[in-house]
Amino acid sequence: EPEVTQTPSHQVTQMGQEVILRCVPISNHLYFYWYRQILGQKVEFLVSFYNNEISEKSEIFDDQFSVERPDGSNFTLKIRSTKLEDSAMYFCASTIGSVSYNEQFFGPGTRLTVL
Amino acid sequence: DQQVKQNSPSLSVQEGRISILNCDYTNSMFDYFLWYKKYPAEGPTFLISISSIKDKNEDGRFTVFLNKSAKHLSLHIVPSQPGDSAVYFCAASGPLTGNQFYFGTGTSLTVIP
Repeated sequence: EPEVTQTPSHQVTQMGQEVILRCVPISNHLYFYWYRQILGQKVEFLVSFYNNEISEKSEIFDDQFSVERPDGSNFTLKIRSTKLEDSAMYFCASTIGSVSYNEQFFGPGTRLTVL
Repeated sequence: DQQVKQNSPSLSVQEGRISILNCDYTNSMFDYFLWYKKYPAEGPTFLISISSIKDKNEDGRFTVFLNKSAKHLSLHIVPSQPGDSAVYFCAASGPLTGNQFYFGTGTSLTVIP
């Protein structure tokens, strides 16, 4: 069964450092998303991506964040200068179409720890 | 602004009994609702969905009920099994609410053997 994969599973970094979280969405999916979940809190939307551009982003997704689909398979989230409050689980998701009547398939997540 | 709310952070149920997880939403433009199940250290996995044209959808032990007038949905698990112990998130989307799902805060279900 196709699945969304994410690497690394756990990333530890120093405050102010850049991190890149990687995702491989399901191959025939066209819409890609990043969510995060701070420990004990709800899953929060960060950004959606379609046709090689951001289609929607939340207020969390400020200038420190960027996304890219550098090739036909990877979808990355970059945090330029990490802050302590960026520590969270980051989930990548993909859908075959838009969120209307299409379920999102989530990856296992990357646990980011900023020290 | 929390558009999707799960007011019960946790729920404990005996094995074999019914588990009822509740979710409320505020945005009347939502027309598609999903339940996700999440184990620790894993991503959410899709469980069941319902569109606003229906008021019930059933898949095996899982049934989702939608009450549009009350802006309320619930997930029933019958019979509950210990393997159902997980965090359950409801999520919602709509054609005019942006290309994202809005998630509730989750309910941690514990099924006691």
